[in-house]
Formats: sequence, structure tokens, C-alpha cells
Amino acid sequence: AQKVTQAQTEISVVEKEDVTLDCVYETRDTTYYLFWYKQPPSGELVFLIRRNSFDEQNEISGRYSWNFQKSTSSFNFTITASQVVDSAVYFCALSDGGSQGNLIFGKGTKLSVKP
Amino acid sequence: DTGVSQDPRHKITKRGQNVTFRCDPISEHNRLYWYRQTLGQGPEFLTYFQNEAQLEKSRLLSDRFSAERPKGSFSTLEIQRTEQGDSAMYLCASSFVTSAETQYFGPGTRLLVL
Repeated sequence: AQKVTQAQTEISVVEKEDVTLDCVYETRDTTYYLFWYKQPPSGELVFLIRRNSFDEQNEISGRYSWNFQKSTSSFNFTITASQVVDSAVYFCALSDGGSQGNLIFGKGTKLSVKP
Repeated sequence: DTGVSQDPRHKITKRGQNVTFRCDPISEHNRLYWYRQTLGQGPEFLTYFQNEAQLEKSRLLSDRFSAERPKGSFSTLEIQRTEQGDSAMYLCASSFVTSAETQYFGPGTRLLVL
């Protein structure tokens, strides 16, 4: 069965600190896709990144970076120089390569960035 | 394009009443998904459509729940005889038809059953 684990329930940092959100996944599929979404207090899930299982290159987008390691089944997300606006719940999700495409979400990590 | 929209944003109802939610996907997207999110949890898949066909339903979708997408555009999710356990955020997402394409979510409908 597919599963996503986000072991950190809540993280609190002070502005400008770096923070890493952990995501560990389980799947038997050889083709799969990993996602990160941000859910601010307004409630709407905002897409951040999509990565397929064949692409292990790390990615950087501004202050955001992602580290995908198949050997440890992890897809971690780092925010560099955090800002108050980064405060939100962050979800990691997994989708198989089949025809359905529904997402399996972790329970989320609530990040609080204090000024 | 304005993205995925959902209506209403909030709904308060009494136990036993029926409620209906609407989702308007991004116009060129063929796939439409419904998810439910309870407090402190990640969204859980309920059902999805490809054009007007409902292709998959989760075991979470009891007989009191029904979803439609009659013309392959907007979708409705109806809950009959609501129960307090139905209180949750109901999220709609849409994507292109290729499997595992990125899903874009709407703002959700927050349901409270008293």
C-alpha cells in the first residue's frame, strides 16, 4: 500500500532561520510522482513542486529547495532564510504512475515562522 | 484563467439535512477530483471524473454521498442526511488527463454539521 509519513507535526522557527520539512514515502511502484503543497490559513492548497521517480536531481526555486533520495524513500523540503509569510501547513503527497492519479497525502507539517 | 472555484465556501447545516457543493475546474482540465480534509489531517481522496465519467470512488464515499459532472465541466457533490462526522473541508481539484499530472486545488467548502 502507498503511504506518506510526515513525522514533524509542528515546527516553529524565527525569521531568517533555515528549516527542513521531512517526507518519507512507501510504494511498490517503480513509477511514481511526489508533490509538495502549501496550505496557508485561508485553506487553499497551493502547488509547489512535482517530481517523478526517475528524476533524482535536487531542485532549487528561490528560497525553496527539495532533496529527493530514492535510497531512503525521502523527499525533503528546505526553506532557506524563512519569512513570516512561509507560515502554513505543508503537505507531501504521492501519486502512482497508473491511470487513476489520485494523491495520497501525509498529515502535514505546520510551520510557524516568528518575527 | 481564474483557477478552480468552489461554492459555497462555508456551509452550516443541521444533522439530517441534505447539502450540495459545486466545483468549477480550470476550463481546459479533463479530470476533476474531490477530496475531504478533517482537522489536523491531510486531504483524503473521495472520487474523480474524467470528462463526465466517474471512474473511481473511495470506500470513504458512503451511499449518502453522490457526485456528478453532467457535461464534463462543473461538478456537484451532494451529501444526504448529513451526520456530524461529515463536518470537514471538501476540496476539489482539477488536472489534465495524463496520469499524475499536477492537480490544482480550489479554496474548498468548509462544512459544519450541527
